[in-house]
Amino acid sequence: EVQLVESGGGLVQPGGSLRLSCAASGFAFSGSAVNWVRRAPGKGLEWVGHIRSKTNNYATLFGASVKGRFSISRDDSKNTAYLQMTSLKIEDTAVYYCMSATTAWGRGTLVTVSS
Amino acid sequence: SYELTQPPAVSVSPGQTARITCSGDGLAKLYTYWYQQRPGQAPVTVIYKDKERPPGIPERFSGSSSGKRATLTISGVQTEDEADYFCQSSDTADSHRGWVFGGGTKLTVL
Repeated sequence: EVQLVESGGGLVQPGGSLRLSCAASGFAFSGSAVNWVRRAPGKGLEWVGHIRSKTNNYATLFGASVKGRFSISRDDSKNTAYLQMTSLKIEDTAVYYCMSATTAWGRGTLVTVSS
Repeated sequence: SYELTQPPAVSVSPGQTARITCSGDGLAKLYTYWYQQRPGQAPVTVIYKDKERPPGIPERFSGSSSGKRATLTISGVQTEDEADYFCQSSDTADSHRGWVFGGGTKLTVL
């Protein structure tokens, strides 16, 4: 069974940092891109960014609202991807989901940025 | 970069057919994906690559694409289909592409 499990969310102050994890199982993780998507309260889905596979040189790409503040990495030996978030803003408050294997989604982890 | 436009809301009665559209210049050459998100739950992929249905998704969900418009059709709508639906495609036709989402359509089953 394909499974993605996010972790690492929580409460952080503006300007702070947080690292989210996405643990995968049930499919060929090393050959799959991993996308991060978020949904803020009262808003729609927003693409955060992605990391491609080793075959594609682990290339990353980010949405305009997080570019320069967020980074994505992966450890294929652990079947895990990471979303490093820095210089967090109140508007980054959202549930963050990872998505991979073309169609699979995790359950999400809540990030709250507040003083 | 490309943008995607969806109607904010669609309402149907149980058993009827719901059609949710997604418009964008890029759709003429890029795939469309559709996601269902019920309140408090994670998104679920209901259609990928314009018209493919993942395992476990009921046959009443179908997708089509023509020109700059993609359509998600739900035949014989059930109350459990009430949710937000989002279309997604790429933000460019370049070889390394980001994603773009439509604003979402709230499907109400009356």
